[in-house]
Amino acid sequence: AQRVTQPEKLLSVFKGAPVELKCNYSYSGSPELFWYVQYSRQRLQLLLRHISRESIKGFTADLNKGETSFHLKKPFAQEEDSAMYYCALSPNAGGTSYGKLTFGQGTILTVHP
Amino acid sequence: DAGVTQSPTHLIKTRGQQVTLRCSPISGHKSVSWYQQVLGQGPQFIFQYYEKEERGRGNFPDRFSARQFPNYSSELNVNALLLGDSALYLCASSKQSTEAFFGQGTRLTVV
Repeated sequence: AQRVTQPEKLLSVFKGAPVELKCNYSYSGSPELFWYVQYSRQRLQLLLRHISRESIKGFTADLNKGETSFHLKKPFAQEEDSAMYYCALSPNAGGTSYGKLTFGQGTILTVHP
Repeated sequence: DAGVTQSPTHLIKTRGQQVTLRCSPISGHKSVSWYQQVLGQGPQFIFQYYEKEERGRGNFPDRFSARQFPNYSSELNVNALLLGDSALYLCASSKQSTEAFFGQGTRLTVV
């Protein structure tokens, strides 16, 4: 069975401070990992995915298969980063597997001025 | 493109009733998935449909069913509603091998 754990329900930082949102997963195969973000009154949207290895809005996330982690990091947090962040896993079965996501419980990030 | 659209946005039902939720995917997306999000938790996978066939089912009772139409829109049906079915129901669409795009959701309240 697959599982995603986000140990922090709430995370508060000040503007300009580094931020790290933790995500650990368990899955027997080689999954694809994602970070989704939900800003206030907006729909859930993809922030980044591990296979693209991009930096989006200053955020990066590295898949650590040894520690089964996919932590989200940003060196200098901004107030507009305040949102709910979900880590999600998709079985890497290719094809139609992108619709089958297992989500963590989410972390509410608040960036204070 | 309006993105994934869901209807209705809010719904109040009585215990024991049946409900149908609707989802229109992004044009060109043949895969539709349904998720249940209970307050304070992450979305939980219910169903995935691709080309009108069920491709995956989460750990939900048989009271939950879904279907996908030739135009790739989808309906989620829940029978014999329980108070615990109160949640935000999310629909997501995707092309093969691409990210899932989510709708705004339908807020179902069972009283």
